[in-house]
Amino acid sequence: DGGITQSPKYLFRKEGQNVTLSCEQNLNHDAMYWYRQDPGQGLRLIYYSQIVNDFQKGDIAEGYSVSREKKESFPLTVTSAQKNPTAFYLCASSGSIYQPQHFGDGTRLSIL
Amino acid sequence: DQQVKQNSPSLSVQEGRISILNCDYTNSMFDYFLWYKKYPAEGPTFLISISSIKDKNEDGRFTVFLNKSAKHLSLHIVPSQPGDSAVYFCAASDEAGNNRKLIWGLGTSLAVNP
Repeated sequence: DGGITQSPKYLFRKEGQNVTLSCEQNLNHDAMYWYRQDPGQGLRLIYYSQIVNDFQKGDIAEGYSVSREKKESFPLTVTSAQKNPTAFYLCASSGSIYQPQHFGDGTRLSIL
Repeated sequence: DQQVKQNSPSLSVQEGRISILNCDYTNSMFDYFLWYKKYPAEGPTFLISISSIKDKNEDGRFTVFLNKSAKHLSLHIVPSQPGDSAVYFCAASDEAGNNRKLIWGLGTSLAVNP
């Protein structure tokens, strides 16, 4: 089945630790995205990548980092510099940045 | 400051009737609009989109209407089915559907009762 896999579904980390969220797609999509969802707010773009080995900051990139070494994979690292990391994180992909996105099922990150 | 507003957090409709979900926007530069549907514990799924050069787009039971002068769009589901029960998100772009530029609403939770 083609789709986007985010793992893990729930993640707990201690304050001050970096944590990496996984996102893999087998849709052969060029573009991939990371969003954050908080209560009372719409989805906000963290980072996006249009092609392998290239990525750009979204609206709320501070405290996050990404890599795009393979077409299928776009991991997101939440660093200790992110002041309020507890949130629901969604990964998406699309054939291009002008095509509708397909989303994974999300990772809920909680900082203890 | 919400540029895309879904003012009804929830909506309840009887099976077989019409569901109308509304979305208002403030930025007159928005030129492309999308609706996504989200079930619990799953990611959003693309439903339907509309460009600002149109005022209506239809796909099966789903129709989106755009009123540019009122900065308002609506999603009609006819007939509504219990499987349509989900959260519906409206999103807008000011760059012809560029996903980098999407602004999302907070969603409306639709319950279709048998």
